[in-house]
Parts: sequence; structure tokens; C-alpha cells
Amino acid sequence: SQKIEQNSEALNIQEGKTATLTCNYTNYSPAYLQWYRQDPGRGPVFLLLIRENEKEKRKERLKVTFDTTLKQSLFHITASQPADSATYLCALQTGANNLFFGTGTRLTVIP
Amino acid sequence: EAGVVQSPRYKIIEKKQPVAFWCNPISGHNTLYWYRQNLGQGPELLIRYENEEAVDDSQLPKDRFSAERLKGVDSTLKIQPAELGDSAVYLCASSVYEENTEAFFGQGTRLTVV
Repeated sequence: SQKIEQNSEALNIQEGKTATLTCNYTNYSPAYLQWYRQDPGRGPVFLLLIRENEKEKRKERLKVTFDTTLKQSLFHITASQPADSATYLCALQTGANNLFFGTGTRLTVIP
Repeated sequence: EAGVVQSPRYKIIEKKQPVAFWCNPISGHNTLYWYRQNLGQGPELLIRYENEEAVDDSQLPKDRFSAERLKGVDSTLKIQPAELGDSAVYLCASSVYEENTEAFFGQGTRLTVV
């Protein structure tokens, strides 16, 4: 069966450290992988997109890697801040343009 | 520019009653998605439209759920009759039909079935 799993439901880190979130998938062949942020009571907001032939993508303090052999993406937030506290969702975009989401990881950055 | 607009924001109904959710996507976005999100879970895709055509409704429970997107703009998702297990947040998202674009989400409708 198809699965998209994010490594943990919740992750707590100290302010200033790097947060690393993991997204693993099975039985998908995504053309793109996206990461979203979701705050309580709000819809997800797009952060980054990486193509299947790209290894790494950066945007300010965010970095995403994509390994299609391992079927895994890593999402890093460097110099984390309390304002980064939210739920982070990975999403696989297939060639048919469907967008499937993972289970989400709730990140808490402790001052 | 207005984002994706959903209404109502909250809905409480008794089981076996019908309910409908409305979505107005971003102007010019021909792709529209409906998702269901249970507490503590990621969004689950229910149906995707390209303009007025439902191109993937394989995850839509068709015995009680229906959706339409007349004229390829606004969309309505209906549940009839609602069950207790339908309590969730229903999210609508839209995007431009290209393979490498982001989806824009509305705030969602929180449904509680009692």
C-alpha cells in the first residue's frame, strides 16, 4: 500500500539549534516533493518544492534534500526560532498532479 | 488578491443530517482539491478537479459524499447523511495546472457531527 510517513509526531528543540524532519514514502513515484507549514486552525502554507532530479534546495533558513533511491526527504530549519513552532507536512506530487500529504510533525522550538 | 475562501468556518450537525461546504478558489486556478484532515493527521485527498472535470475521485466515499464544480470555478462538497466519523476539518485548495506549482489552501471548515 502507499504510505507517506514523517519520522515523529512531535519534535522539541532548543532555540538556535537546527531542526531536522524526515519524510519517508513507499509505493509512490513522485515527480516533486513539497513541504508545507500548518499553524493551528489554519490551512497548510507552502514552503519549498524540490524536483526528483534535484538533490538539495535552499530558501533562507530552510533546506530540503530529496533522495529517490532511499525514498526520503529531509527538511532542515537552521537557527530555529520560537516562531518556527508549527506542524510541518511533506507532500508528494505525482505526475498526474495529485498532491498526497504525510502525517505531519509538530515542531516546538523552546526559548 | 483574495486567497481561497471557504464557508462556513464551523458547522455542527446531528448525525444523519446533510451538510454542504463551499469553496471559492483563487481566480485563474483551474485545479481544485478537497481534503479531509482528522485531528493530528495530515490532509487526506478526497477529490481533484481540473476545471469542471473531476479527474480523480478515487478517495471519495461515494455512498455519502458528492462534489461538484459547476463552470469550473466554485465548488461544493456534500455529505448526506453525515456520520459521527465524518467529524474533521474539510480543506479546499487550488493551484495553477502545472506540475511544479504550490497549492493554496483555505482555512477549512471544521465539521462536528453529534
